[in-house]
Amino acid sequence: GESVGLHLPTLSVQEGDNSIINCAYSNSASDYFIWYKQESGKGPQFIIDIRSNMDKRQGQRVTVLLNKTVKHLSLQIAATQPGDSAVYFCAENMPNAGKSTFGDGTTLTVKP
Amino acid sequence: NAGVMQNPRHLVRRRGQEARLRCSPMKGHSHVYWYRQLPEEGLKFMVYLQKENIIDESGMPKERFSAEFPKEGPSILRIQQVVRGDSAAYFCASSPVETVGTGYGYTFGSGTRLTVV
Repeated sequence: GESVGLHLPTLSVQEGDNSIINCAYSNSASDYFIWYKQESGKGPQFIIDIRSNMDKRQGQRVTVLLNKTVKHLSLQIAATQPGDSAVYFCAENMPNAGKSTFGDGTTLTVKP
Repeated sequence: NAGVMQNPRHLVRRRGQEARLRCSPMKGHSHVYWYRQLPEEGLKFMVYLQKENIIDESGMPKERFSAEFPKEGPSILRIQQVVRGDSAAYFCASSPVETVGTGYGYTFGSGTRLTVV
């Protein structure tokens, strides 16, 4: 069935280190993949997205990698800062579908 | 541009009462989405609406839940005869028509936290 899942529920890193958050998806027909950041008491905030015809996309301090062969998505955060502490969700969208299917989230904690 | 506005931020209802959650999309956004989030879980899609039209309600429970997005005014998610299992955070997102299906440009509100006692 359709599902998006995350490999690790929690991740703790030292400030300045790089972080890698992983996500597995099961629907090979999904066209878009999105990473969101959710801070406590707030709604999800768009970080970066990637289309299924791409393998890699870079933003400011973040990189998303897509491996369609193994249906795996990852978010890399460079030089992690305390402000990056949050829950990170991956989500997938089918073509032309408004709804997103979210994973359960990885809690990132950055130690100073 | 105030972003997606949801109110109330917190709502407490007794079992059997009705809950009405409101969502005003960003200016220029014509599409609204409602999601529910249980504690320490991801967001679950409920319904997707355009003005005066429900596009996809595949995630809505068949009973007690309804949603609307009238021509004028905010989108409303209504839960009738609430039960304790309805306690959750309800998030609304909006997007412009050009980015439907991509996630890009989706903006979430801060949510309404419903507690049923």
